[in-house]
Amino acid sequence: DIVMTQSPDSLAVSLGERATINCKSNQTLFYSSNNKSYLGWFQQKSGQPPTLLIYWASIRESGVPDRFSGSGSGRDFSLTINSLQAEDVAVYYCHQYFNIPWTFGQGTKVEIK
Amino acid sequence: EVQLEESGGGLVQPGGSLRLSCVASGFIFSDYGMNWVRQAPGKGLEWVSYISNSSSIIYHADSVKGRFTISRDNAENSVYLQMNSLTVEDMAVYYCARDRHSDFWGQGTLVTVSS
Repeated sequence: DIVMTQSPDSLAVSLGERATINCKSNQTLFYSSNNKSYLGWFQQKSGQPPTLLIYWASIRESGVPDRFSGSGSGRDFSLTINSLQAEDVAVYYCHQYFNIPWTFGQGTKVEIK
Repeated sequence: EVQLEESGGGLVQPGGSLRLSCVASGFIFSDYGMNWVRQAPGKGLEWVSYISNSSSIIYHADSVKGRFTISRDNAENSVYLQMNSLTVEDMAVYYCARDRHSDFWGQGTLVTVSS
């Protein structure tokens, strides 16, 4: 199974500042035939289902604010939230859909400092 | 508007069975694969099962293989999860999610396994 490891487990960021979450997989998520990394990012607010923020590692889902951005390729990925807003308080998960079983990172809790 | 609505959760004794349903609307259901993903109380996300749009491809996580069965009815815009031999480790909110990306999720249905 592909293991997804996020860091940090939690972080507190001041309003308007940048938050960066890292995600590392134990094998590549890059498929050379289509030049894509099979990596997504989800946001889960308390008591709600997850919502997709980013897919193919860097493509922002429709309707997602442009302060959210994804980067990386292969085994190392990042989610950046520029200018953190109060409504961004949530747990964030990375997700690989390269190989079955699809797996998720353990989650990173983002709070306001 | 894409909508997914799960149902069928509830309280069941260890060893019991439940059948979860997910009804889809707002998109051409038969064009998309569907997943079940679960989340135990206070825990992270765990993918459970996937079924392709035509039901020709089915995958289950090892933790549920042989006990859970995913199926779908494209005429009813529905995907199902038959869960047998339930244990306390299966207690979770179960979500259906669309496609390999899991781009849309339902609100979830809670499965409680307790004697």
